[in-house]
Amino acid sequence: DAKTTQPTSMDCAEGRAANLPCNHSTISGNEYVYWYRQIHSQGPQYIIHGLKNNETNEMASLIITEDRKSSTLILPHATLRDTAVYYCIVRVGHRDDKIIFGKGTRLHILP
Amino acid sequence: NAGVTQTPKFQVLKTGQSMTLQCAQDMNHNSMYWYRQDPGMGLRLIYYSASEGTTDKGEVPNGYNVSRLNKREFSLRLESAAPSQTSVYFCASENRANYGYTFGSGTRLTVV
Repeated sequence: DAKTTQPTSMDCAEGRAANLPCNHSTISGNEYVYWYRQIHSQGPQYIIHGLKNNETNEMASLIITEDRKSSTLILPHATLRDTAVYYCIVRVGHRDDKIIFGKGTRLHILP
Repeated sequence: NAGVTQTPKFQVLKTGQSMTLQCAQDMNHNSMYWYRQDPGMGLRLIYYSASEGTTDKGEVPNGYNVSRLNKREFSLRLESAAPSQTSVYFCASENRANYGYTFGSGTRLTVV
């Protein structure tokens, strides 16, 4: 079962903010939202995660709606190096809950 | 550098040959994972190990075996390779602080 729904692809101009949406309408109260990205031919890279509060780190910001049914990953100033597939994942976040990857969003940063 | 190391990076096998993909992490993580990724597709979980001495099947375990040799190392074995196992294989370990995964750079396997 796909727990999340993401657009297949998106474009963003270099230097602008990239906003990647994710729907997770069946999320449970104890499930976190995680974001990873995979740059071509590399292993996926952890970006950020959150439960219900908005989160920010050196890579991105995560905005989770109040009902927790959707979220947005924000890359504040996209560069060409941010071109990648971005995966939104919901999981409980303990050792017995494995990450199941969907198809993700292919983000193209345009020069 | 701390992280997940996979060897080899590339491998070509003939149908029926066997091989072991090696994975080691130096971050003292308990849980480790093996995924495969086929062209244009997402990652699929093959096997995982929640701790030293334990292993469990994931979504696509058929044709593979694993060994959690110690806390650092988690190997994936193909006993009799088939062309359908041509893929990129990624190993990962889990950071218990945030339950985020750290992935290796992958092994690109071609079975002819």
